[in-house]
Amino acid sequence: GAVVSQHPSWVICKSGTSVKIECRSLDFQATTMFWYRQFPKQSLMLMATSNEGSKATYEQGVEKDKFLINHASLTLSTLTVTSAHPEDSSFYICSATLTVTSGRQYFGPGTRLTVL
Amino acid sequence: EDQVTQSPEALRLQEGESSSLNCSYTVSGLRGLFWYRQDPGKGPEFLFTLYSAGEEKEKERLKATLTKKESFLHITAPKPEDSATYLCAVQDGGSNYKLTFGKGTLLTVNP
Repeated sequence: GAVVSQHPSWVICKSGTSVKIECRSLDFQATTMFWYRQFPKQSLMLMATSNEGSKATYEQGVEKDKFLINHASLTLSTLTVTSAHPEDSSFYICSATLTVTSGRQYFGPGTRLTVL
Repeated sequence: EDQVTQSPEALRLQEGESSSLNCSYTVSGLRGLFWYRQDPGKGPEFLFTLYSAGEEKEKERLKATLTKKESFLHITAPKPEDSATYLCAVQDGGSNYKLTFGKGTLLTVNP
């Protein structure tokens, strides 16, 4: 149980285009979803926290107008990288919490974004 | 600001050679300390959650322990399939459940 999926698993796009990444909780309703970015040989850096039906909370230094997050339902959150540039190339991972009390996050398999 | 430091950055073991990974942390009110395993190109896989000093948890060849300042992940008689990056993360009491991760320890177990 508690499976999180991401789509697509990898994407290559041209500089200046926008890319949407989906994160779904398959067998549970996620009260909160998180978006992380991971550069090679680095750890996961939290980008934003999103709760269903409300605006996402972005971490310091993350441009909210560039990384648009929509959490339209308890099972789906999307991250849109707008006007992507090569420096946005990274591994993007989402996670979801099953209950607000446990704190445990279930992670998706990640999306590899390459911007040419 | 919460901080997590993991050591060593990389560890190479022979199959069957037991060892420990370290995770030192500073946090204002620990809600939980988490260990995850991450294989290349994949998302982290949950291993353990520890909530209070003195707590221990085991799963197969892995055992996690917690003190007020650090956590250890002990690996007993590792096998090549234990090769992965092991991530430690902390969650503080007022953080809206967000996790602060360390950089991880890359474990390689040679047959």
